[in-house]
Amino acid sequence: EPEVTQTPSHQVTQMGQEVILRCVPISNHLYFYWYRQILGQKVEFLVSFYNNEISEKSEIFDDQFSVERPDGSNFTLKIRSTKLEDSAMYFCASSEVTSGRGTQYFGPGTRLTVL
Amino acid sequence: AQTVTQSQPEMSVQEAETVTLSCTYDTSESDYYLFWYKQPPSRQMILVIRQEAYKQQNATENRFSVNFQKAAKSFSLKISDSQLGDAAMYFCAYRSAWTSGSRLTFGEGTQLTVNP
Repeated sequence: EPEVTQTPSHQVTQMGQEVILRCVPISNHLYFYWYRQILGQKVEFLVSFYNNEISEKSEIFDDQFSVERPDGSNFTLKIRSTKLEDSAMYFCASSEVTSGRGTQYFGPGTRLTVL
Repeated sequence: AQTVTQSQPEMSVQEAETVTLSCTYDTSESDYYLFWYKQPPSRQMILVIRQEAYKQQNATENRFSVNFQKAAKSFSLKISDSQLGDAAMYFCAYRSAWTSGSRLTFGEGTQLTVNP
């Protein structure tokens, strides 16, 4: 069964450093998402992406975040200058169609630790 | 903006018994989708079940079923014949049917413990 994959599974970085989190969505999916979950808290939406541009972003997704689909398979989330509060689990998700009919399937997550 | 509320931070159930997890939501939209996701200790988010708001019939997936009350904006998950592998955090989530690239809005989660 196709699944969303994410690398790395765990990333440790120093405050102020740039990190890139990678995702490979399910191959026939067209809509891509990033969510984050700070330990012990609910899952929060960051951004959605379709047709090589951002569809929607939350207030969390400020100028230090960016997303890109550099090739036909990868979908990346870049954090330019990490802060301690960026420590969280980051989930990538993809769906085949939008308008609610497409169920979002999640990857296993990348645990980001900012020291 | 839509909100999702799970009022039970923790629940426990005996193996083979039935448990119901509660979820309420607030929206002004008439067409939307509701989901339950399971998050085991590995922290992977696994889809359990989904419900379309335009359908009156409650969704079922094997031992998992929902009680969808649209007027009350309630969406509870029933787990029958609970198994040890059901132990996890369960999140209720809402998604608009109309917004392009629409986000999932999650509740706070309910931690389910299954006792042998």
